[in-house]
Amino acid sequence: GAVVSQHPSRVICKSGTSVKIECRSLDFQATTMFWYRQFPKQSLMLMATSNEGSKATYEQGVEKDKFLINHASLTLSTLTVTSAHPEDSSFYICSARDSFAQPQHFGDGTRLSIL
Amino acid sequence: EDQVTQSPEALRLQEGESSSLNCSYTVSGLRGLFWYRQDPGKGPEFLFTLYSAGEEKEKERLKATLTKKESFLHITAPKPEDSATYLCAVQAGSQGNLIFGKGTKLSVKP
Repeated sequence: GAVVSQHPSRVICKSGTSVKIECRSLDFQATTMFWYRQFPKQSLMLMATSNEGSKATYEQGVEKDKFLINHASLTLSTLTVTSAHPEDSSFYICSARDSFAQPQHFGDGTRLSIL
Repeated sequence: EDQVTQSPEALRLQEGESSSLNCSYTVSGLRGLFWYRQDPGKGPEFLFTLYSAGEEKEKERLKATLTKKESFLHITAPKPEDSATYLCAVQAGSQGNLIFGKGTKLSVKP
């Protein structure tokens, strides 16, 4: 149980392209979803938190116009990296939980490479 | 400031050689402490949640314990398939967001 599916697993694209990443909870209702960024040998850095049907809450320093988050249903959240540049290259991971007291369950991440 | 520190950064063990990983934390209002396992190129896999000092959880060769300042992940007689990065995270704040440590990379040699 508690499976989170994230697609695509890898994206390579040109600078200036917008990239959409999907995160789905397959067997539970994700009241809250989270988006993280992870650099090599670094901890997961929270980018934003989204509750179903509400606007996302972004962490300090994260540009909300660059990283668009939509959480339109209890099973799907999307992260769109708009006009991506090489410095946006990273490993992006989503997670979901069904209630405050429950652990977050993670997707397998998306390796984004901007050329 | 809420902070999580894991040690050591890397740990090499022989198969069957038991050891412990440390996670020390400073947080105002701990709501829970979580252990995850992360394989290369994958997302973290949930292992344990601990809520109060003195609590212990076990799963196969892993045992997690919690005090008021730190948590330990004990690995008994590890096998090569236990090789992974082990992440510790604390839950804090009104949103219950997780604050992660940098992880301990465990390598178990046959």
